[in-house]
Amino acid sequence: EAGVAQSPRYKIIEKRQSVAFWCNPISGHATLYWYQQILGQGPKLLIQFQNNGVVDDSQLPKDRFSAERLKGVDSTLKIQPAKLEDSAVYLCASSPPGTANLGQYFGPGTRLTVT
Amino acid sequence: DQQVKQNSPSLSVQEGRISILNCDYTNSMFDYFLWYKKYPAEGPTFLISISSIKDKNEDGRFTVFLNKSAKHLSLHIVPSQPGDSAVYFCAASAMRGANSKLTFGKGITLSVRP
Repeated sequence: EAGVAQSPRYKIIEKRQSVAFWCNPISGHATLYWYQQILGQGPKLLIQFQNNGVVDDSQLPKDRFSAERLKGVDSTLKIQPAKLEDSAVYLCASSPPGTANLGQYFGPGTRLTVT
Repeated sequence: DQQVKQNSPSLSVQEGRISILNCDYTNSMFDYFLWYKKYPAEGPTFLISISSIKDKNEDGRFTVFLNKSAKHLSLHIVPSQPGDSAVYFCAASAMRGANSKLTFGKGITLSVRP
């Protein structure tokens, strides 16, 4: 079974530029999550999708971050414009249907550096 | 406001000995707890979980203990192996409701010395 795929793995941009990350979840996983992990911290949930609908985006800085999950499969996370404090690893995770299974499967992440 | 706390940033143990990783939480709504393991340049991988209706869950060398009255859980690894060297995250969720949102601690870096 293929795992969660993410690209790019690394990205360096200047502040005020825009950037986009892509995630392909495990086949059949209805729920998709984007996390931000700042160095020395645990992952923080940015947004959660159930199929192509948003379940929770309470911690997404909506003035600069946006995410979409077209057709309930792949997802993109965009930052526009980026700030220095956005430097972090952005993790995508997915989980099978149903709320009883909380075993989220994580991708390798995209390490973003904003200079 | 950290709802899941891993107060010790690092732990070093000798191979073959027991590793005990601690985690505290403040939100009384949490009723499901998980441990994730993370190697450098990889995403976290699920290790073991426990529901609040239990006080212990065991899987091979890994055992998680939950003390609800103290809002404390711990992960025991015995015997510890060099391959266990990684960052370990404690995570918690309130399963009541459809949202399976996880709240993570900051992580503990475990080093197992050969």
